[in-house]
Formats: sequence, C-alpha cells, structure tokens
Amino acid sequence: QKEVEQNSGPLSVPEGAIASLNCTYSDRGSQSFFWYRQYSGKSPELIMFIYSNGDKEDGRFTAQLNKASQYVSLLIRDSQPSDSATYLCAVNPSGMGRRALTFGSGTRLQVQP
Amino acid sequence: DVKVTQSSRYLVKRTGEKVFLECVQDMDHENMFWYRQDPGLGLRLIYFSYDVKMKEKGDIPEGYSVSREKKERFSLILESASTNQTSMYLCASSPPQNSGNTIYFGEGSWLTVV
Repeated sequence: QKEVEQNSGPLSVPEGAIASLNCTYSDRGSQSFFWYRQYSGKSPELIMFIYSNGDKEDGRFTAQLNKASQYVSLLIRDSQPSDSATYLCAVNPSGMGRRALTFGSGTRLQVQP
Repeated sequence: DVKVTQSSRYLVKRTGEKVFLECVQDMDHENMFWYRQDPGLGLRLIYFSYDVKMKEKGDIPEGYSVSREKKERFSLILESASTNQTSMYLCASSPPQNSGNTIYFGEGSWLTVV
C-alpha cells in the first residue's frame, strides 16, 4: 500500500463547477497535510496546508481533513480553465527526525471551458 | 518570497559521466531536499539534509550522493549516470520542523542520460 494515494485522473469538470480532489494516507500519526499544484513542465507550488480536523478555506479553495478516516480532500469552487493542472497531496509522516514530506502521485484536473 | 534556485535546468549527459546538480536557497532554511519526479511515480525523496554537513537517505538513495558544505547550498551528485536516472530533479527547502514543514521547490532540473 502506498503511503499517500490519489486517483491519477484525469478528473474533468466544466468551468464554474466544483472540483473535488481526494487523498488517503496510511500513517495514522501524520500531523500535517499539504496540497500542491503543478502545471505541466513546472515545479509544484503550495496551495494550502491543514493540520486540524475539519475544513480550512482560502478563497476558492477548501481543504478538508478527517484524521479518523485518514482522508484529506481539496475542493475548488468556481473552477477555471487556469486551474487545469496536477494536484499533489503531501503528508508529513510521524516519526523522529522525519522532516521530508511524502507525496502522492497526483490527480490531473481538466477544467473544460 | 522564498527562492530556491537550481542552476542547471536542462542537461544531457552520457552514461557513466559524473553529474552535479546544484541548488541554492536564500531563506536561511535548515532543511533541504532532493526529489525526483517520474510519470506515474510521483515525487520520490532521494536525500535530505537538516544542517550543514548532515544528510539522511530518503526512499531512493541508490546511485546518488549529496553534499552540503554551506547552509544555503545542497548538491546532488550522480557518481556514474545511468539511463534510468533520466528524470526531473527537484530541489526544495523548508524551515525547521516546528514550522509545519511547508517545503518550497526550485524550478527543476531535467536530466537526460543517453
């Protein structure tokens, strides 16, 4: 089982719709969770991070965390063609001295005009 | 803004060559990382460093080594490049762990080994 799992997609949504991206993780002790966006040929850029159960909103983006279910999601409201990219979920694993994030393989999002 | 600079963006090397990938960050971050990214496999951690001259193996260290002689600079070394090391290499940095471990990436280095 991969440590961080994402559906590779592509997830296709029409412009203006809500895009829902999901991620599950295996390390129950994980404390912090991140969503990165990566455009083709570019490096990942941080969108949001979340530490506590529940929702965290930032503009059109909402991150949702459910530690009991080991599940984190990203909602993108009013999706735009410019949101078309690969979205990477990342987790900060538990354990002494572990400072590096573990990434999922990413979900490719396509927003249709 | 945090700036992580990878000096070599596109490289083509021959099998067996020694390859150096350089990375510099300007935010005085303690932690620095090297990942590689391949289609379908996502980002995989090669090595990371949490202080000058300190390093730890990541998930796929075989065939690689690293050097951190100064806090701002973290180099990835391929001692003898092989074709299966053709990939995009991403350097990243982050502040200390108690800051949430948000990491910031450089622009990437595309390496082709022929």
